[in-house]
Amino acid sequence: EVQLVESGGGLVRPGGSLRLSCAASGFTFSNYWMSWVRQGPGNRLEWAAHINQDGSDIYYVDSVKGRFTISRDNAKNSLFLEMNNVRSEDTAVYFCMKEGREWGQGTLVTVSS
Amino acid sequence: DVVMTQSPLSLPVTLGQPASISCRSSQSLVHSDGNTYLSWFQQRPGQSPRRLIYKVSNRDSGVPDRFSGSGSGTDFTLKISRVEAEDVGIYYCVQCTHWPHTFGQGTKLEIK
Repeated sequence: EVQLVESGGGLVRPGGSLRLSCAASGFTFSNYWMSWVRQGPGNRLEWAAHINQDGSDIYYVDSVKGRFTISRDNAKNSLFLEMNNVRSEDTAVYFCMKEGREWGQGTLVTVSS
Repeated sequence: DVVMTQSPLSLPVTLGQPASISCRSSQSLVHSDGNTYLSWFQQRPGQSPRRLIYKVSNRDSGVPDRFSGSGSGTDFTLKISRVEAEDVGIYYCVQCTHWPHTFGQGTKLEIK
């Protein structure tokens, strides 16, 4: 059974940093592209970042480009999202997603002073 | 970016009756590989989204056959042949043909 467990969310001040993690199990992690998708106010969904199987192909939505970094450790079956210079509009539940299909339960990030 | 527009945004339905959600994209979703990467997700209250349909009309395993997807180009539809109580939630279309992948605003299905 595919399991994706996010962690690392919390309250962070504008301009601060946070690192999200996603622990994957139940499948061969290195075989799949992975993504971070966030759900903000009004339940709006935004596909924030995407990384291919070996990390050689990465995409970001413009709203996070230059501030967020997606990475993965295939040896540890883990996906990461480094969030820097966060803004209030980054407040959302962040989901780890396996190849556009399975989602984790999400971790809440709140940006507020 | 490709804009995905869903309608209606609110869908009250009587149990046992059909329901239909439209999703229109601002540009064609036909990929250079010939596939159309349009999916539908369901998000029940308090849960993470779950994929129902991929590549326009393919049902994921475990998805009841009362759910069906159709369409082409820029115009797509999700149909539920007979709505059940467990279908309450928000339905999203999403395109994965162009980066960034983009979602529709969501359609909230409720029981009348």
